[in-house]
Amino acid sequence: SYELTQPPSVSVSPGQTARITCSGDALPKKYVYWYRQRSGQAPVLVIFEDYKRPSGIPERLSGSASGTMATLTISGAQVEDEAVYYCYSTDTSDNHRRVFGGGTKLTVL
Amino acid sequence: QVHLVESGGAVVQPGGSLRLSCVASGFTFSPYGMHWVRQAPGKGLEWVAFIRDDGSNEQYADSVKGRFAISRDNSKKTVYLEINSLRLEDTAMYYCAKSGGDSLTGYPDYWGQGTLVTVSS
Repeated sequence: SYELTQPPSVSVSPGQTARITCSGDALPKKYVYWYRQRSGQAPVLVIFEDYKRPSGIPERLSGSASGTMATLTISGAQVEDEAVYYCYSTDTSDNHRRVFGGGTKLTVL
Repeated sequence: QVHLVESGGAVVQPGGSLRLSCVASGFTFSPYGMHWVRQAPGKGLEWVAFIRDDGSNEQYADSVKGRFAISRDNSKKTVYLEINSLRLEDTAMYYCAKSGGDSLTGYPDYWGQGTLVTVSS
């Protein structure tokens, strides 16, 4: 089965840059999407199609992808950015198998 | 403004069945695919199922194939998830999500607040 791999946790101080990675064999051919889930809340889409930001998502969140790895970058991290971040993509099979990464807990302190 | 409201979650015994519903508002429902995603307590997100805008194509995670069935009623702006032969490991918050992008391979863009399914004897 297809898997996306994320680090379990990332910690930064307020104002620093946080980078969360997501790796998968199909990423050279498939888009990556990123979701933020704050404690007790439903997930929110923060990046789509590798690097595009939905309206209302601050510019300090950005996405990039190269080869088998995608990266979510949070520049000048703020306390409100503390959350679990998930990447999402599909494999290259005809079944369009969809998968989330295991999630990365971002701590800003 | 996109609004999705799930319902139907309950405490059920192993082997039981449930039908979850998700009512959409704030957007034109029929042109968009819909997803169900679940999250076990303290765990990560797991994509469960997708249905195309016109109901012509259904896709399932391997873990639920044969036990879960997704359907929709565009006249009621509602998507359903029928869950059969419930197992302890099906205990989770179940979210519905509108699909963005391509009609066949789209991604969850807007999410509801979820409905809780607990499987317990």
